[in-house]
Amino acid sequence: EAGVAQSPRYKIIEKRQSVAFWCNPISGHATLYWYQQILGQGPKLLIQFQNNGVVDDSQLPKDRFSAERLKGVDSTLKIQPAKLEDSAVYLCASSEISGESDTQYFGPGTRLTVL
Amino acid sequence: AQSVTQLGSHVSVSEGALVLLRCNYSSSVPPYLFWYVQYPNQGLQLLLKYTTGATLVKGINGFEAEFKKSETSFHLTKPSAHMSDAAEYFCAVSGLEYGNKLVFGAGTILRVKS
Repeated sequence: EAGVAQSPRYKIIEKRQSVAFWCNPISGHATLYWYQQILGQGPKLLIQFQNNGVVDDSQLPKDRFSAERLKGVDSTLKIQPAKLEDSAVYLCASSEISGESDTQYFGPGTRLTVL
Repeated sequence: AQSVTQLGSHVSVSEGALVLLRCNYSSSVPPYLFWYVQYPNQGLQLLLKYTTGATLVKGINGFEAEFKKSETSFHLTKPSAHMSDAAEYFCAVSGLEYGNKLVFGAGTILRVKS
């Protein structure tokens, strides 16, 4: 079965520019997650979708970050404008449902460098 | 806020030696517990998880972990390290006291020497 797909794999931008990341979850997975992984730290949840509705976005910096999951499948995460501290790997994950014990399957991530 | 702590940001073992990676959680109610592995430039892959039942959990690639409630720990072990085990390992927890989201430790980089 195909895994979680993400693109692009790498992105370099200058501060104050905008950037968007794309994620295609595993087919049939209702729940989709976006994580931010800063160098030397574990991933931190930014937003969780159940189908096309937001379940948890409490840690999403909403003044500059936005995310959508139209039609309950693919998702896009956008940063506008980017700051230096946004340099990180952005991971997308999916799971069949959204229970606390469910296994999350991760994509390879997008490494963002903000100069 | 509740937290998960991985003791040692770097661990180095010789090939064939025991691997022990430590993880402790802080919640009063035992959470769900996970170990993930991340190889360079790849996403995270689940090694094993504990939800309920038997406290010794076996995972992929010969790894296992034991949930010890009295010690609030979930340490990861492998009897004999292989070069291919070199990677970063993350302990993660979820549950009510963690806001019903997956909360990760800072990770431990495992180096395997030949």
